[in-house]
Amino acid sequence: DAGVTQSPTHLIKTRGQHVTLRCSPISGHKSVSWYQQVLGQGPQFIFQYYEKEERGRGNFPDRFSARQFPNYSSELNVNALLLGDSALYLCASRRAQGITGELFFGEGSRLTVL
Amino acid sequence: RKEVEQDPGPFNVPEGATVAFNCTYSNSASQSFFWYRQDCRKEPKLLMSVYSSGNEDGRFTAQLNRASQYISLLIRDSKLSDSATYLCVVPPPRSYFGNEKLTFGTGTRLTIIP
Repeated sequence: DAGVTQSPTHLIKTRGQHVTLRCSPISGHKSVSWYQQVLGQGPQFIFQYYEKEERGRGNFPDRFSARQFPNYSSELNVNALLLGDSALYLCASRRAQGITGELFFGEGSRLTVL
Repeated sequence: RKEVEQDPGPFNVPEGATVAFNCTYSNSASQSFFWYRQDCRKEPKLLMSVYSSGNEDGRFTAQLNRASQYISLLIRDSKLSDSATYLCVVPPPRSYFGNEKLTFGTGTRLTIIP
């Protein structure tokens, strides 16, 4: 079975631009979470979606938004990019029967803001 | 006090040695804990979970000390392939499917030297 897939894998943007990152969870996984990982730090929680509803939001500004589609794939949108948004954006999914904390991560989208 | 704290290292350890590192957490109500492994420029992957006093899986042992609010990870007979960053993860105390804001530590970087 395919793992969590994310696209694009790398991208470069300039300040003020907008970016959309995409994630497809493992087949059968209905929960998708987004994390931001800045170099040298652990991942930080941004959003969690389950059954197309937002179930959790981390301490990120309103420039960050996300949604989940009927097929459980998800998009993360970031508006008005800042230099500090440069990071690895990780998407993770988990199955309903799985244990809390057991997430399956994609390889991430590495965003550089110039 | 940070929610989850780890010694960032780096730990440089000769092959075959035993290495241990700790992770402290601030919320005494936390019930479960996880260690994730992250290879350089890769996604985090679940290594071990800890629910009660500890867990052992081959060369890896995770222990929980609730009184002092820390978990530890012990690696015996270390291999070159153990070189990675080890992330301590604490879910919310009353987490349930749909409320899973995981808090990651900054990670402990381990390098096994030949």
